[in-house]
Amino acid sequence: GQQLNQSPQSMFIQEGEDVSMNCTSSSIFNTWLWYKQDPGEGPVLLIALYKAGELTSNGRLTAQFGITRKDSFLNISASIPSDVGIYFCVTYPTGNQFYFGTGTSLTVIP
Amino acid sequence: GAGVSQSPRYKVAKRGQDVALRCDPISGHVSLFWYQQALGQGPEFLTYFQNEAQLDKSGLPSDRFFAERPEGSVSTLKIQRTQQEDSAVYLCASSFTSGSETQYFGPGTRLLVL
Repeated sequence: GQQLNQSPQSMFIQEGEDVSMNCTSSSIFNTWLWYKQDPGEGPVLLIALYKAGELTSNGRLTAQFGITRKDSFLNISASIPSDVGIYFCVTYPTGNQFYFGTGTSLTVIP
Repeated sequence: GAGVSQSPRYKVAKRGQDVALRCDPISGHVSLFWYQQALGQGPEFLTYFQNEAQLDKSGLPSDRFFAERPEGSVSTLKIQRTQQEDSAVYLCASSFTSGSETQYFGPGTRLLVL
């Protein structure tokens, strides 16, 4: 399967701080997705990216499709307690099966 | 219901038992996916259905794993002769079409094999 490496593996931050995480691969992809998984739940789509260099926002979340097409970045501004969860980068080269990254676990301390 | 539902939410099995996990996708969704998520890992693809046809089962780890979707709606993932390494969360997802970036995931079934 595809290797999508995310960093950092985990983050512990104070409420109100900004968060940055990234996802890298040795392969080129045409689409990058970011999903969030709350504890005990299934992943939920946050942002979809379709073009190299694209910058897309969804509320306090901003994601970028890397120029090399081998990486993507997710930023969260002014974190709040409900941002807690695991963030996954995802790609789907064949159009069917998703490949999930290794995940970044985020803990927000009130 | 409005979302993907899965049952049971938790399952404890003794090694060697057979288990059946159920997925009710969102009504009208053509595509259905099963994923396995080991503790501390991202979900890994198991199999994919388009309506009742199983188009990709390349992720099933062994012939002990079997999935079906006979009427193109509800799906069942069956694991025969469970082993301890089968302990994981099994996630089901559905999407309106194939190749969609939006897969809607259920809450998962947490399987523990003792």
